[in-house]
Amino acid sequence: GDSVTQTEGLVTVTEGLPVKLNCTYQTTYLTIAFFWYVQYLNEAPQVLLKSSTDNKRTEHQGFHATLHKSSSSFHLQKSSAQLSDSALYYCALSNNNNAPRFGAGTKLSVKP
Amino acid sequence: DMKVTQMPRYLIKRMGENVLLECGQDMSHETMYWYRQDPGLGLQLIYISYDVDSNSEGDIPKGYRVSRKKREHFSLILDSAKTNQTSVYFCASSHGRNTLYFGAGTRLSVL
Repeated sequence: GDSVTQTEGLVTVTEGLPVKLNCTYQTTYLTIAFFWYVQYLNEAPQVLLKSSTDNKRTEHQGFHATLHKSSSSFHLQKSSAQLSDSALYYCALSNNNNAPRFGAGTKLSVKP
Repeated sequence: DMKVTQMPRYLIKRMGENVLLECGQDMSHETMYWYRQDPGLGLQLIYISYDVDSNSEGDIPKGYRVSRKKREHFSLILDSAKTNQTSVYFCASSHGRNTLYFGAGTRLSVL
């Protein structure tokens, strides 16, 4: 079945510095969409980014991600982290055959 | 307004009691989900519902059952709750395999 791997459970970065959250996946299906969801403390997860096009950069709220099917990756990046970016981030994939699959999540902590 | 509503937000139950978690959505989404969230495990799918009375088990269905009699309403039932079912439960809905919209969650403690 599908699987999504987020290798870091916790990423700590200093405010103003770049940040990268890793996401790799395994799937046997061709029609797939990829998502990054963000969950702020005591709130519900909400979609941050979505992509289904190979090698196309997707941006929202200063974050960007590019789906690379050749390396089965959909890493999330931001050039300058803000204190308000501290949250739990989930990578997820979805296809027409199975329910959405989420990674274990990466907690981003931005320090002053 | 696009909204998924979960009730109750907080719940404390004793082991062996029955638990009913309710979820509603106002987007006419045909697909609805129940997830539980535990630290380090992320969001684990309990059940998925493709429409009224069309439900399928997710990854961790044991100890849970669901009911969907109206498209806008999806319930999660724990018969004889166990302490290891203490968790945060999220309901979500989507149009097909598109973006999931989550409710605010129910924090369940089973003592």
